[in-house]
Amino acid sequence: AQKVTQAQTEISVVEKEDVTLDCVYETRDTTYYLFWYKQPPSGELVFLIRRNSFDEQNEISGRYSWNFQKSTSSFNFTITASQVVDSAVYFCALDNYGQNFVFGPGTRLSVLP
Amino acid sequence: GAGVSQTPSNKVTEKGKYVELRCDPISGHTALYWYRQSLGQGPEFLIYFQGTGAADDSGLPNDRFFAVRPEGSVSTLKIQRTERGDSAVYLCASSLSGNQETQYFGPGTRLLVL
Repeated sequence: AQKVTQAQTEISVVEKEDVTLDCVYETRDTTYYLFWYKQPPSGELVFLIRRNSFDEQNEISGRYSWNFQKSTSSFNFTITASQVVDSAVYFCALDNYGQNFVFGPGTRLSVLP
Repeated sequence: GAGVSQTPSNKVTEKGKYVELRCDPISGHTALYWYRQSLGQGPEFLIYFQGTGAADDSGLPNDRFFAVRPEGSVSTLKIQRTERGDSAVYLCASSLSGNQETQYFGPGTRLLVL
């Protein structure tokens, strides 16, 4: 069965600290896609990244970076030099055989000034 | 262009009433999804449309829930005989063609059943 685990329920950091959000997934599929979404207090899910299972290269986008390790079924997300505006709930999601997404429970990140 | 829109943004109803929630996807997107998000949890899949047809409705919790997309664009999620447990945020998403592509989400409808 498809499953996504985000073991960290809540994380608090002080502004400018680096923070890593963990995501571990389970799937029997050999081709799959992983996603990260941000849900700020306004409530709308904002797309951050989509990663194909065949592409294990790490990706960097500004202060955001993602570490995909197929061997450990992990797709971790790091925010460098965190800012107060990064405070949100972050969801990792796994594409479910092209039909829908299976979401993790989310990690609530609080960045304190 | 515009993103996914959902109306109403908030809906308060009484137990036993019927409600309709509307989703307007991104123009040109053939795939449309409904999810339900309870407080403190991740979104849970309800139903997926490819064009006008429901390609997968395995997430609908029971027969009180029904959704339509008659012209392949706007979709309506219908809940009959609402129960307090139906209270949640109902999210709609769309993607270009549905095959493992990025889903873009609307702001959600917050449903409260009293």
